[in-house]
Amino acid sequence: DTEVTQTPKHLVMGMTNKKSLKCEQHMGHRAMYWYKQKAKKPPELMFVYSYEKLSINESVPSRFSPECPNSSLLNLHLHALQPEDSALYLCASSQALGGGETQYFGPGTRLLVL
Amino acid sequence: GQNIDQPTEMTATEGAIVQINCTYQTSGFNGLFWYQQHAGEAPTFLSYNVLDGLEEKGRFSSFLSRSKGYSYLLLKELQMKDSASYLCAQTDSWGKLQFGAGTQVVVTP
Repeated sequence: DTEVTQTPKHLVMGMTNKKSLKCEQHMGHRAMYWYKQKAKKPPELMFVYSYEKLSINESVPSRFSPECPNSSLLNLHLHALQPEDSALYLCASSQALGGGETQYFGPGTRLLVL
Repeated sequence: GQNIDQPTEMTATEGAIVQINCTYQTSGFNGLFWYQQHAGEAPTFLSYNVLDGLEEKGRFSSFLSRSKGYSYLLLKELQMKDSASYLCAQTDSWGKLQFGAGTQVVVTP
């Protein structure tokens, strides 16, 4: 089983709203990732968690706030977003953090900021 | 940053073979992944190469030459469902994936 689930599938929010994206995996993976993907562009890494601790933050604006409450769950809290933040947000997980580890992606949350 | 180059688009007919080339910078290299992504869907893992040579998985094969900073993905016996974007991605020792822009493969009847 290589399933990563994400909710919601679609989200529309205003610039003053606060919302959260959720990601879950039950593969026992200890590394989890958030990516942002704009149309016709490749995914761009935002954050990496390893053993529930933030390992990498790719200089993401503070209006995006990640959280890893336990080894199976990863959240991305959104506040005061801009229209240019509209994108597909992908969660991924891998067994551990390291160069040879395959990342498995969830289906994504398509976010529209109005 | 790391430059990963792959063609923007390739077109081939059903049953044919297509080879997607990818070049990358060799500094900090720790492996090369290929992912398939259908429009509006998540990337799905196809292959991983860290040593030189060819890895074969059914209709898909991937090749790596570390000294040349070069990889290719070979798709054989093309099917309509293979129409998708194919992403080449280099990984470093941390496991950070740096994706190429993707190659859109169009399979025609």
